[in-house]
Amino acid sequence: GEDVEQSLFLSVREGDSSVINCTYTDSSSTYLYWYKQEPGAGLQLLTYIFSNMDMKQDQRLTVLLNKKDKHLSLRIADTQTGDSAIYFCAERFGAGSYQLTFGKGTKLSVIP
Amino acid sequence: GAGVSQTPSNKVTEKGKYVELRCDPISGHTALYWYRQSLGQGPEFLIYFQGTGAADDSGLPNDRFFAVRPEGSVSTLKIQRTERGDSAVYLCASSLTGTGDYEQYFGPGTRLTVT
Repeated sequence: GEDVEQSLFLSVREGDSSVINCTYTDSSSTYLYWYKQEPGAGLQLLTYIFSNMDMKQDQRLTVLLNKKDKHLSLRIADTQTGDSAIYFCAERFGAGSYQLTFGKGTKLSVIP
Repeated sequence: GAGVSQTPSNKVTEKGKYVELRCDPISGHTALYWYRQSLGQGPEFLIYFQGTGAADDSGLPNDRFFAVRPEGSVSTLKIQRTERGDSAVYLCASSLTGTGDYEQYFGPGTRLTVT
């Protein structure tokens, strides 16, 4: 199967911006997702981007996609302590597919 | 509104025992998925149901694992002769359909510990 790679840890100060990076290996991936997982909770979909887009913005979240380099990033503006969680990048290989392939997750710690 | 629910939230069992994990999807969602999340890892796909049938069970690790969805709603993941390596969080997700532009909604998971 294809791999999705993420750095494991990120620490930022409250009020700063956080940037979480992800690389994927399958150029045929059509949908790319960011999920948030808080302790003891399920996965919450934050946002997703279709592969023919370069950028998507949703309030404090900005997703950038560099399809040539197979690189995806999630920027969280004005990071708050409530943003502390594990963030997973995931890919899906086309409209006819259904499996999500996840990275190992990036643990974001926000320092007050 | 009601999301995906899973029961039990925690299950501790002895090696060799049989366990059943239950998932209640969002009402009206035809597609249901099971994933397994081991410690420090992202979720890994196990099986996908479209309606009552298992459309893809390629992620099931071996024949000790089996899942059913007899009426196209609730699903049960069954694990026979549990092993310590089966310890993980088992996540269920559902979506309106299985293909196209859709979102998979995840439940809180069942944490299985095999002693």
